[in-house]
Amino acid sequence: DAKTTQPTSMDCAEGRAANLPCNHSTISGNEYVYWYRQIHSQGPQYIIHGLKNNETNEMASLIITEDRKSSTLILPHATLRDTAVYYCVLYNFNKFYFGSGTKLNVKP
Amino acid sequence: EAGVTQSPTHLIKTRGQQATLRCSPISGHTSVYWYQQALGLGLQFLLWYDEGEERNRGNFPPRFSGRQFPNYSSELNVNALELEDSALYLCASRTGPQTFSYNSPLHFGNGTRLTVT
Repeated sequence: DAKTTQPTSMDCAEGRAANLPCNHSTISGNEYVYWYRQIHSQGPQYIIHGLKNNETNEMASLIITEDRKSSTLILPHATLRDTAVYYCVLYNFNKFYFGSGTKLNVKP
Repeated sequence: EAGVTQSPTHLIKTRGQQATLRCSPISGHTSVYWYQQALGLGLQFLLWYDEGEERNRGNFPPRFSGRQFPNYSSELNVNALELEDSALYLCASRTGPQTFSYNSPLHFGNGTRLTVT
């Protein structure tokens, strides 16, 4: 069984916030939540990661629910260059479990 | 800083042949991971090397093998190629050692596109 569940695709208007959800209801206490994105024909790019607390960096914010069973990646002002497949990934001591990803389409 | 580099970019082989894919990690990174990404699918974990040793492998047959050299670069070998081996093969590196309280992200190369005909 997949460790994470993500919607297959989402649309977002350029300039608006993109909120990408991920369910990880069986997450263990030691597992981190990572997010990567993959632009067509390139390798995945690291975005952000966290354990319990919400995290923010120059690319995005990560909101993890208190029970840690789900998380949301937020791109505050989506641009056309943010069009990509976004992967929610669980990490547990040297093992990364990639989900099937969400194709985010940013439209003008 | 130079990123993870993979070679060749594209590789075309015939069924039954062998393929060798190469990866140079970011300077200072000792861990190398290999993933297979079939067309339109997610990433499937293949192999993990750290400090020259194979530390873990995914659910792939033994004809998928590799090694890590003293300079931490790595090689993935696929023997007896089958049509379904056609995929993008991604290499990623990260720093070590890893503990619960310290972990670092994977940094990926842009992959080798293997086509088996």
